[in-house]
Amino acid sequence: DAGITQSPRHKVTETGTPVTLRCHQTENHRYMYWYRQDPGHGLRLIHYSYGVKDTDKGEVSDGYSVSRSKTEDFLLTLESATSSQTSVYFCACSGAGGIETQYFGPGTRLLVL
Amino acid sequence: AQSVTQLGSHVSVSEGALVLLRCNYSSSVPPYLFWYVQYPNQGLQLLLKYTTGATLVKGINGFEAEFKKSETSFHLTKPSAHMSDAAEYFCAVRLNTNAGKSTFGDGTTLTVKP
Repeated sequence: DAGITQSPRHKVTETGTPVTLRCHQTENHRYMYWYRQDPGHGLRLIHYSYGVKDTDKGEVSDGYSVSRSKTEDFLLTLESATSSQTSVYFCACSGAGGIETQYFGPGTRLLVL
Repeated sequence: AQSVTQLGSHVSVSEGALVLLRCNYSSSVPPYLFWYVQYPNQGLQLLLKYTTGATLVKGINGFEAEFKKSETSFHLTKPSAHMSDAAEYFCAVRLNTNAGKSTFGDGTTLTVKP
């Protein structure tokens, strides 16, 4: 398995505060992804990156921003957290797009009060 | 555009029985199809994938899936369920692009009864 870690693993925050989640991979994979998982919705893509400083939006990007200044790190920021952003967030990475396997991190549980 | 429908949010089988988890997809171009498994409090792990070629795909832990273009289906099967198979299973579709953006189904929770 690709070495993917996420931090923090659990976070409780208040509405209106900014939150940054970090994904770190040790496989030198080019592509990285942020998903959120909610009951009854499977996983939905928030943002993805296809290289350093190259990012694009997914299907549920409103209220989120990302940055990738190094190959190994992909940051997800909630500019002003809302209760609707309470979710489990998963990072994934792959060596390429297309048919390449995506490897998932362990997830971050975020509760916005 | 692409979409995935997993029929049945919960499936319960007895240990030793056949496991059948259903997945139908919609895609404007030939898709890549994936099944993932998620154990409690863990990330997703790839079970198997279909890209091109043989339509019957074998994966880890004794699972297999068959791509049926005429039925737009990619159902997951295992001949004999084990207690350790209890988990949530996700079907995903990806178009033939370089970005690897996947669309996931809503998931099916598999319960295995002793």
